[in-house]
Amino acid sequence: QSVLTQPPSVSGAPGQRVTISCTGSSSNIGAGFDVHWYQQLPGTAPKLLIFGNSNRPSGVPDRFSGSKSGTSASLAITGLQAEDEADYYCQSYDSRLSGFWVFGGGTKLTVL
Amino acid sequence: QVQLQESGPGLVNPSQTLSLTCTVSGGSISSGNYYWSWIRQPAGKGLEYIGRIYTSGSTNYNPSLKSRVTISVDTSKNQFSLKLSSVTAADTAVYYCARVCDSGDYVYFEHWGQGTLVTVSS
Repeated sequence: QSVLTQPPSVSGAPGQRVTISCTGSSSNIGAGFDVHWYQQLPGTAPKLLIFGNSNRPSGVPDRFSGSKSGTSASLAITGLQAEDEADYYCQSYDSRLSGFWVFGGGTKLTVL
Repeated sequence: QVQLQESGPGLVNPSQTLSLTCTVSGGSISSGNYYWSWIRQPAGKGLEYIGRIYTSGSTNYNPSLKSRVTISVDTSKNQFSLKLSSVTAADTAVYYCARVCDSGDYVYFEHWGQGTLVTVSS
């Protein structure tokens, strides 16, 4: 059971827009800690996609955007492309105990 | 561009200690505001944070693994290491090392190694 909750799967047709939610609690996202997103293509290591809730590293297309509100965050992908088919993970910090980094359970994006 | 490479045994006996090393190239492990971290991923499952170390030696571990984990750094070799004791089949996973950037505003997993599969079995 992951500390951050994501839908197991989402899907969309090429060109469409999809969103992936990441729900936390008052000890992580709701406490104001930032959310970051990672893309994991099949058989590869995760790659940073969004940092600091809504910032894109250089090289990441502006089709990818992130937002955060309250105890949740969202990743939006517009103009869906076949190459976007991957697993997506949110990540934040949890302040319980000594504090530690936490990941969401991951969401499998299927491009129909 | 910094690169990270995991190395270590791909097969570990149950109850033994899993030991992995991450070699950092393209930059000094001692420079900049970075943490050095281990993450794992069982087959078909999500990512799990194991722990991290700063070059000062300061560590942080996932509470669920804390009693069994030790992360250390060897700045002379530009490496950091993971030891996980008393392993069981549940510890079978791909293990990733990563560099965590502390920009001052945000702290995030910036660069990842390619990962190494460790199987716990007799």
